[in-house]
Amino acid sequence: AQTVTQSQPEMSVQEAETVTLSCTYDTSESDYYLFWYKQPPSRQMILVIRQEAYKQQNATENRFSVNFQKAAKSFSLKISDSQLGDAAMYFCAYRSPNAYSGAGSYQLTFGKGTKLSVIP
Amino acid sequence: DGGITQSPKYLFRKEGQNVTLSCEQNLNHDAMYWYRQDPGQGLRLIYYSQIVNDFQKGDIAEGYSVSREKKESFPLTVTSAQKNPTAFYLCASSILYRGYEQYFGPGTRLTVT
Repeated sequence: AQTVTQSQPEMSVQEAETVTLSCTYDTSESDYYLFWYKQPPSRQMILVIRQEAYKQQNATENRFSVNFQKAAKSFSLKISDSQLGDAAMYFCAYRSPNAYSGAGSYQLTFGKGTKLSVIP
Repeated sequence: DGGITQSPKYLFRKEGQNVTLSCEQNLNHDAMYWYRQDPGQGLRLIYYSQIVNDFQKGDIAEGYSVSREKKESFPLTVTSAQKNPTAFYLCASSILYRGYEQYFGPGTRLTVT
């Protein structure tokens, strides 16, 4: 079974600075998908960024980028020019590639999250 | 607007009562999911459904039941057999095929006393 580990329960960053949230995962599959979700105080889960394992290029979405190290099974999220609205829980998630490779194979496996605080 | 609705946002029940949480989506997604979120635990999968009239147990299905009579709807019943039902419940949906992300509803906070 896949596992996702977020080793930083809490992080803080000064406004306008850069912060990196770490995520490691364990899998025997070679093709899969990784996601970062944001959960602000409203508790609405919002997709931040997605990475496909077969793509070597790191995904980017505006101020958000990832450092995907497939061999190390590492998937960190970098937030540049941090803003007050970035304060939230951030969850790393893993998904198998094939909906038909077994029961539940396309479900998301989540890490326990990192609470990010932004200091004005 | 397309999206997922969950109602109500807050729900209170007495211990021993069954309660049903609503989840509706108009995204035309085939797959729907129920997650439970507890402090410090991340999200854990309760049940999921790929198609109407079919659903599968997730990691923590004991004490819960679901139905999928319509593509748009996937209600979750928290039964009296669930030993610790107080939690935040999130419903999600997705396109069934490879790589597509799950979209989440706003969640329901259930408190059982």
